[in-house]
Amino acid sequence: GAVVSQHPSRVICKSGTSVKIECRSLDFQATTMFWYRQFPKQSLMLMATSNEGSKATYEQGVEKDKFLINHASLTLSTLTVTSAHPEDSSFYICSADQTRDRLYGYTFGSGTRLTVV
Amino acid sequence: GENVEQHPSTLSVQEGDSAVIKCTYSDSASNYFPWYKQELGKRPQLIIDIRSNVGEKKDQRIAVTLNKTAKHFSLHITETQPEDSAVYFCAAFNNYGQNFVFGPGTRLSVLP
Repeated sequence: GAVVSQHPSRVICKSGTSVKIECRSLDFQATTMFWYRQFPKQSLMLMATSNEGSKATYEQGVEKDKFLINHASLTLSTLTVTSAHPEDSSFYICSADQTRDRLYGYTFGSGTRLTVV
Repeated sequence: GENVEQHPSTLSVQEGDSAVIKCTYSDSASNYFPWYKQELGKRPQLIIDIRSNVGEKKDQRIAVTLNKTAKHFSLHITETQPEDSAVYFCAAFNNYGQNFVFGPGTRLSVLP
């Protein structure tokens, strides 16, 4: 089945530094990837939609300059949290659209738990 | 935009009993409705899904029903087992909006 690899799984960083999270589709091409944030005991909230070769579309209230998304190829999207602060601590998870390869469905990465100290 | 409500927020059942979780959505253009199971600290796992041209779908102990007119869909788990304990999320998706909207989740506890 389709696999989405997300790294790192956990990261602790100091306030003010930047963190990059990678999301790779291993056995299919993903024209669209979605980035979500999940706070404890809450649902997944869509942050942005990442389309290969074009600028990401951000949801209302999500700062595009703070959460940089790059989808440079059909198998890789990255989310960079710039100048991280403790309130950015959360579980970040990506999902990939398989429809390009005619596999209907969306596969989630394993998630990244970010802790900013 | 789409709004998805989910009830109940918590549900406790005895092992062997059935569990039902209901979701409603607001956008009549939504056409794909997956259900995800998420264990603590792990990724959501798709357990069943239904498309808008189908009213019901079943996979062993799990079934999903969809009422397009009323804009609600439900997850049914029969003969529950302790390993069914998790948080369950419903979601609605439409091709036009090109994104999922998740419900707030239901924490299911199956008591042995």
